[in-house]
Amino acid sequence: GQNIDQPTEMTATEGAIVQINCTYQTSGFNGLFWYQQHAGEAPTFLSYNVLDGLEEKGRFSSFLSRSKGYSYLLLKELQMKDSASYLCAGSSSNTGKLIFGQGTTLQVKP
Amino acid sequence: DTEVTQTPKHLVMGMTNKKSLKCEQHMGHRAMYWYKQKAKKPPELMFVYSYEKLSINESVPSRFSPECPNSSLLNLHLHALQPEDSALYLCASSQARTSGGTDTQYFGPGTRLTVL
Repeated sequence: GQNIDQPTEMTATEGAIVQINCTYQTSGFNGLFWYQQHAGEAPTFLSYNVLDGLEEKGRFSSFLSRSKGYSYLLLKELQMKDSASYLCAGSSSNTGKLIFGQGTTLQVKP
Repeated sequence: DTEVTQTPKHLVMGMTNKKSLKCEQHMGHRAMYWYKQKAKKPPELMFVYSYEKLSINESVPSRFSPECPNSSLLNLHLHALQPEDSALYLCASSQARTSGGTDTQYFGPGTRLTVL
């Protein structure tokens, strides 16, 4: 099967940096997506990595290593509004379907 | 504009009711999706429409019936649902390139469904 693993919960302090890791099976995926989802709201697209390396978008960056089956989302200068669930999702190379991890609930504390 | 709209926002229905969820996008996307999401769980794919044709049905019970009237609209018809079907129902759309597609999916705000 195609598995994606990420930590269930993380806590960080306002103004700090946090890294949310995601691991997946190296075969079967054609790129990694990161979505942010606030409670009761829709997932919103944050980033997509298909090649190895770091993609930076303001306070958020995402990294991918295809050989290691590893990705992370880096959030800098944390704000209280960053408290949300962060979903790592692989795009299946066979079907194009998004395969989601269980999501990481990030709590930002003052 | 990356907006996907869904109506209604909230829906309460009995197990004998028939209702429909609606989704609309005007981004010219040719793939549309229905997901079901339970609390503290990731979205689960239900159906995919590609160029207005049903391309994926993830073994969803027949009490859920999708319909794609045109490239901008996606409906989900509900009949004889069970209390365990209570969830957030999310619609998404993407460009639907040809094989190996890795198009970004954009989600609507969802319909919070409660089945009594």
